[in-house]
Amino acid sequence: GAGVSQTPSNKVTEKGKYVELRCDPISGHTALYWYRQSLGQGPEFLIYFQGTGAADDSGLPNDRFFAVRPEGSVSTLKIQRTERGDSAVYLCASSPSGAYNEQFFGPGTRLTVL
Amino acid sequence: GDSVTQMEGPVTLSEEAFLTINCTYTATGYPSLFWYVQYPGEGLQLLLKATKADDKGSNKGFEATYRKETTSFHLEKGSVQVSDSAVYFCALSDRISGGYNKLIFGAGTRLAVHP
Repeated sequence: GAGVSQTPSNKVTEKGKYVELRCDPISGHTALYWYRQSLGQGPEFLIYFQGTGAADDSGLPNDRFFAVRPEGSVSTLKIQRTERGDSAVYLCASSPSGAYNEQFFGPGTRLTVL
Repeated sequence: GDSVTQMEGPVTLSEEAFLTINCTYTATGYPSLFWYVQYPGEGLQLLLKATKADDKGSNKGFEATYRKETTSFHLEKGSVQVSDSAVYFCALSDRISGGYNKLIFGAGTRLAVHP
């Protein structure tokens, strides 16, 4: 079956612009996670959704970052007033439920802020 | 806070050599431990996991044992292949986080295996 998909695969933007990154989880997966991976580092947790609600957004770095999952499936990560330090690969993962099940990762969106 | 430390790469080995990638962790609760692998051009994949002390996770010839006394989860393989060339990430999930896997990753170790 289809895995987790993320669009776009690459996004180049200018400092100060607004961007949206999309994640399509595996069908039926209720848990969805966003991570950010900077160059040479491991992924860092950003936010976790169980269904439509953000159960844990403790990893969002500041209020320029926001994520939604209005129908409990597709999720969008939104970044306002982008900064060069936001450049990274943004990873999405989904899981059958929140209870310690394996997370399946998408290929990521590489964001470059010029 | 919780953290994971793994050996720096790159690790370069000849085919059929023995592999060890060291991983140690710091956690306040009782974490589950994972190894993820990222092959070139692909997404992260779960390689193996262990959920309690002394558990051994294994998959595709790779093994790792959860050692609570040394807070370690070293990855080993007896005979590596060229196809094992990838970046390997050690990760933990602390069970006090509320019943879901909030993963904390190490920085990753790049493995290059040559014929």
